[in-house]
Amino acid sequence: DIVMTQSPDSLAVSLGERATINCKSRQSVLYIPDNKNYVAWYQQKPGQPPKLLIYWASTRESGVPDRFSGSGSGTNFTLTISSLQAEDVAVYYCQQYYSSPPWTFGQGTKVEIK
Amino acid sequence: EVQLVESGGGLVQPGGSLRLSCSASGFTFSSYVMHWVRQAPGKGLEYISAISSNGDKTYYAESVKGRFSISRDNSKNTLYLQMSSLRAEDTAVYYCLHSDSWFYPRIAFDVWGQGTMLTVSS
Repeated sequence: DIVMTQSPDSLAVSLGERATINCKSRQSVLYIPDNKNYVAWYQQKPGQPPKLLIYWASTRESGVPDRFSGSGSGTNFTLTISSLQAEDVAVYYCQQYYSSPPWTFGQGTKVEIK
Repeated sequence: EVQLVESGGGLVQPGGSLRLSCSASGFTFSSYVMHWVRQAPGKGLEYISAISSNGDKTYYAESVKGRFSISRDNSKNTLYLQMSSLRAEDTAVYYCLHSDSWFYPRIAFDVWGQGTMLTVSS
């Protein structure tokens, strides 16, 4: 199974400041034939199911604010919130969906307001 | 609109059994791979099982292998998770999800239901 490790486990950021979450996979999730990285990012607010933010490492899901961006390739990925808003307080998960199941998740990163 | 509605959760004693269901609508169910992901209270997301569109391929995480069985009824647009020998550590919200392929799907898990809560306790 591909292990996904996020860092940090939690972070506190001031409103309007940048938040950066990292995710590292134990093996490459770049599929050479289509040159896509099979990584997604989800946001989960308390009492709600997760919500897809980013897929293929950097493609923003429809309706997701453009302050959310994803980057990276191979084994190292980053989710960036360019200007943190109060409504962005949540737990964020990365996931790999490379090849066949299992499509494993990172352990989650809790984002709070400083 | 794609909808996935999980049901069947509840309170079960350790060692007991239960079957979860997931009713799907808004897409051609028989063409999609289906998955179960769970989340224990206050914990992260755990990917536990998957079944191919025609049921010929299945996957189970080690934590549930031999105790859980995934199945589907394409005529009823319904996914199932039969759970037996339940343990306290199976307590979680269970979500069903869909993808368009077993390999390198076009998109990740873009639709989540509210999930169904299973509590295993005496």
